[in-house]
Amino acid sequence: AQSVTQLGSHVSVSEGALVLLRCNYSSSVPPYLFWYVQYPNQGLQLLLKYTSAATLVKGINGFEAEFKKSETSFHLTKPSAHMSDAAEYFCAVSDTGFQKLVFGTGTRLLVSP
Amino acid sequence: NAGVTQTPKFRVLKTGQSMTLLCAQDMNHEYMYWYRQDPGMGLRLIHYSVGEGTTAKGEVPDGYNVSRLKKQNFLLGLESAAPSQTSVYFCASSPSRAKQFFGPGTRLTVL
Repeated sequence: AQSVTQLGSHVSVSEGALVLLRCNYSSSVPPYLFWYVQYPNQGLQLLLKYTSAATLVKGINGFEAEFKKSETSFHLTKPSAHMSDAAEYFCAVSDTGFQKLVFGTGTRLLVSP
Repeated sequence: NAGVTQTPKFRVLKTGQSMTLLCAQDMNHEYMYWYRQDPGMGLRLIHYSVGEGTTAKGEVPDGYNVSRLKKQNFLLGLESAAPSQTSVYFCASSPSRAKQFFGPGTRLTVL
């Protein structure tokens, strides 16, 4: 069964520092992978998705993620954190039928001035 | 377009009471989903639907029922609420195997 593991329930960075949120997946077939962001008291918004095209995927708000099959990873990065990036981030993988998503447990990003 | 809307936004129930959560989407999407979100556990799929008149169980379906009588609506029912069902419930819709669009959530407390 498909699954994702997000390392670190909380990540703290200073404003302007590199953001790195880790996601490793387990899938028996080439997966679709997603990163979603959740701001306080809101639903989830799609940041970016990988659907077997380019391995480096660019998303909204300056975020990007690289699909590495050899490492079964899909880590999310942003070169310079902004205070407005403080939120919870979820990695997700599609199931084999591409009808459902399996979500990780989430990583809360804290950005300090 | 309103996107995905959820009714109500907040609800407090007593143990044993019943209620229905309504999800509506105006994007003509085929797929609809109900999730629950609990601290440290991410989002877990309760039930989903791949089209009008169809429903299927997700990861945590016990204690919940759903119906998709109209393409635009997906109802989640709790027949006899339990404190373990205290959670934030999210509805989502999707046109295909692409991204899911999420509603704003319903915060449910069962006393």
